[in-house]
Amino acid sequence: VQLVESGGGLVQPGGSLRLSCVASGFTFAGYWMHWVRQAPGKGLEWVSCITPDAGTIGYADSVKGRFTISRDNAQETLYLQMNSLRADDTALYYCVKDGSHGEFDYWGQGTLVTVSS
Amino acid sequence: EIVLTQSPGTLSLSPGERATLSCRASQSVSSSYLAWYQQKFGQAPRLLIYGVSSRATGIPDRFSGSGSGTDFTLTISRLEPEDFAVYYCQQYTTSPPYTFGQGTKLEIK
Repeated sequence: VQLVESGGGLVQPGGSLRLSCVASGFTFAGYWMHWVRQAPGKGLEWVSCITPDAGTIGYADSVKGRFTISRDNAQETLYLQMNSLRADDTALYYCVKDGSHGEFDYWGQGTLVTVSS
Repeated sequence: EIVLTQSPGTLSLSPGERATLSCRASQSVSSSYLAWYQQKFGQAPRLLIYGVSSRATGIPDRFSGSGSGTDFTLTISRLEPEDFAVYYCQQYTTSPPYTFGQGTKLEIK
């Protein structure tokens, strides 16, 4: 299993970024996927999830209305569109695969998002 | 939202000792949807335990999980040098949000 995130970078407050996560080594279309973030020196915060058919999506209250998760099963890619970014969105964003029982069994190495003027 | 509180915040032990980490939930964690993760500095988290007590693939048997309802424990029977890291518990009940505890730092004494 490999999960490779990209798309992070420095953005001004109020700006937008789109994160991508390319998956390989498993049947991407068969699993829930998640985004989890970690602010510098802080703990883990679940951000969003999406079912295999994208029929059910969930968001943390902290990002609801600003972030949009999506997936392309043919391209085996997970996305996170982030709008209206704030300083407290600064974090390392991990792409995470859901396991057979709902646990988070594989994590990417993360992509860093820095929101600053 | 289920809030998870881990204790202690920092645990100082020596290699060969036994480590006991606690995770308390603000309400019952249904169907034993409780996991533990290990995170070493500069690395992504790694799944250790799921379903309260099932070890993930490749995890040594010195790691064990126990508990039910609102009180859960991760035990490392004999600490190896590579076990010193930060540990997080997480609940993944049927609907989000899937919350994490704030973490316990296990450091070398």
